[in-house]
Amino acid sequence: NAGVTQTPKFQVLKTGQSMTLQCAQDMNHEYMSWYRQDPGMGLRLIHYSVGAGITDQGEVPNGYNVSRSTTEDFPLRLLSAAPSQTSVYFCASSLGDRSQEKLFFGSGTQLSVL
Amino acid sequence: GDSVTQMEGPVTLSEEAFLTINCTYTATGYPSLFWYVQYPGEGLQLLLKATKADDKGSNKGFEATYRKETTSFHLEKGSVQVSDSAVYFCALSPPNSGGGADGLTFGKGTHLIIQP
Repeated sequence: NAGVTQTPKFQVLKTGQSMTLQCAQDMNHEYMSWYRQDPGMGLRLIHYSVGAGITDQGEVPNGYNVSRSTTEDFPLRLLSAAPSQTSVYFCASSLGDRSQEKLFFGSGTQLSVL
Repeated sequence: GDSVTQMEGPVTLSEEAFLTINCTYTATGYPSLFWYVQYPGEGLQLLLKATKADDKGSNKGFEATYRKETTSFHLEKGSVQVSDSAVYFCALSPPNSGGGADGLTFGKGTHLIIQP
């Protein structure tokens, strides 16, 4: 079972460059989300989606865009990368059924912005 | 707003020692509470959860009890192994959230190191 797949695993960008972090899940989960993990900060929610065509902002959305055109995919776009966006990014998905609350995480993308 | 506070560590123990990682939370109502574990180079995995007061979640020898009166969800294990070395995150999902879809609130994580 593939679960949640993130690509790339590592990326180095220069300030001002743009890129897209890919996330795909094969579990037919309605809910998907993006987190960033920084030392001493835990995980912070960037954006989330409760279904195809629906997205919303999390705790730290500035500098990031998302879209959800299919149930399977939830890409995260950095339009103009900044050093403050150096972090480890995790995509997660869930059924959305409160009786079975559980997030499934991808293995992460380590991003460095120089 | 909601928040989770946990000891950050690193916590270093010898194999077979007793483990406690403290976690307290601030939230309105009755949130669901979770412990996630992150092994080196991997994403987070759900370790255990509890959805109402006095519930005990357990998995792989770990357990935690939802204490409403002390707003706590401390993680315990009676005898740790080297393979338990990881980062442990306490988290909550508000009672009015859509099954965690709109995001969990995580603590900062506790790095656990088990020495042989």
